Amino acid sequence: GAVVSQHPSWVICKSGTSVKIECRSLDFQATTMFWYRQFPKQSLMLMATSNEGSKATYEQGVEKDKFLINHASLTLSTLTVTSAHPEDSSFYICSAKAVGANVLTFGAGSRLTVL
Amino acid sequence: QKEVEQNSGPLSVPEGAIASLNCTYSDRGSQSFFWYRQYSGKSPELIMSIYSNGDKEDGRFTAQLNKASQYVSLLIRDSQPSDSATYLCAVGRILTGGGNKLTFGTGTQLKVEL
Repeated sequence: GAVVSQHPSWVICKSGTSVKIECRSLDFQATTMFWYRQFPKQSLMLMATSNEGSKATYEQGVEKDKFLINHASLTLSTLTVTSAHPEDSSFYICSAKAVGANVLTFGAGSRLTVL
Repeated sequence: QKEVEQNSGPLSVPEGAIASLNCTYSDRGSQSFFWYRQYSGKSPELIMSIYSNGDKEDGRFTAQLNKASQYVSLLIRDSQPSDSATYLCAVGRILTGGGNKLTFGTGTQLKVEL
């Protein structure tokens, strides 16, 4: 089955630093990947849709300059949280869909803690 | 009104019983419906997908969809303690101009008690 690898699984950083999270589709090509954020006891909120070779599409209220998304290849998308602050602490999850598929495959998630 | 609504629970059922999880959605243009299971601290994993009205069975799981009532449910038969998790309902639609969007409910916490 389709596998999505996400790295790192957890990261702790100081306020003001930037953190990069990688999302890789291991056994399929994904022209589109999705980035979600989940706060404790809340649902997954779509942050942006990452399109290979073009700019990401951000959801309303998500700052594109703060959450930089790069989808340089058909198997890799990255999310960079720039100048992270404690309120950015959350569980970030990527997902991808193989061409022609109807279902998403999720990565294992990355827990970010900003001190 | 939330786009996808679920009772947050917790829903407690004894081991071996049937657990019934419900979800309503507001967008009549929704075309695809999913149930995901999420263990604490983990990412969601797909349990069931359903696209047309009626029932769809897969092992101990049955998804039910009623588009007229904008309602989708998940039944878990012979509930096991390992089924204890948060169940997320997700509703998808194709966007104007292409692409699609998946909207998640807040999830229902299920506890299966020994």
